Amino acid sequence: DSGVTQTPKHLITATGQRVTLRCSPRSGDLSVYWYQQSLDQGLQFLIQYYNGEERAKGNILERFSAQQFPDLHSELNLSSLELGDSALYFCASSVVGTGANVLTFGAGSRLTVL
Amino acid sequence: GNSVTQMEGPVTLSEEAFLTINCTYTATGYPSLFWYVQYPGEGLQLLLKATKADDKGSNKGFEATYRKETTSFHLEKGSVQVSDSAVYFCALSDREQTGTASKLTFGTGTRLQVTL
Repeated sequence: DSGVTQTPKHLITATGQRVTLRCSPRSGDLSVYWYQQSLDQGLQFLIQYYNGEERAKGNILERFSAQQFPDLHSELNLSSLELGDSALYFCASSVVGTGANVLTFGAGSRLTVL
Repeated sequence: GNSVTQMEGPVTLSEEAFLTINCTYTATGYPSLFWYVQYPGEGLQLLLKATKADDKGSNKGFEATYRKETTSFHLEKGSVQVSDSAVYFCALSDREQTGTASKLTFGTGTRLQVTL
């Protein structure tokens, strides 16, 4: 157990629907990152939050949004889902102030859009 | 921008064979370098890291040396086991800025299959 908790583990939904993925970071970690892993795109960075504020944005679609709450958990909202959104979505967290930025990953949420 | 290039997989080796997975990077400044491993059905786990030129990261028999002159961070293991079968990702992180932490940029991953 990495200490990063992601729910749900698996999610099957239909095109056009909206889903929310949840992430609880490791205790003490202030930064949360979201990554999308698909067969054709590899691991793509979506977005990073630090202590409730957005810090960096990657290849995140406008249909996707995220936030980090005061208790530091984060949610990734995916709307108007398309078949191509089917992927593994990973959350990771990290501690600020370490010499090397080690990310600790959760087990992922597997989204299947039918 | 930053990028990481890994050798294409899959790599298939017999148990006890020598492993090398090549990784080169492009980055501004002085990134930290990492190898992560993903076992089937699991998330990514840190395997080893190096934070400056000529540093050698090592863990579980795996090693990688940060080579600034060749912008490389090749992963090696002298004798692989069936249990090493997994996908290996090379990654880099920008130098940490004050009060924040930087994202990782990953390579495409290399699948390793070790057979008896």
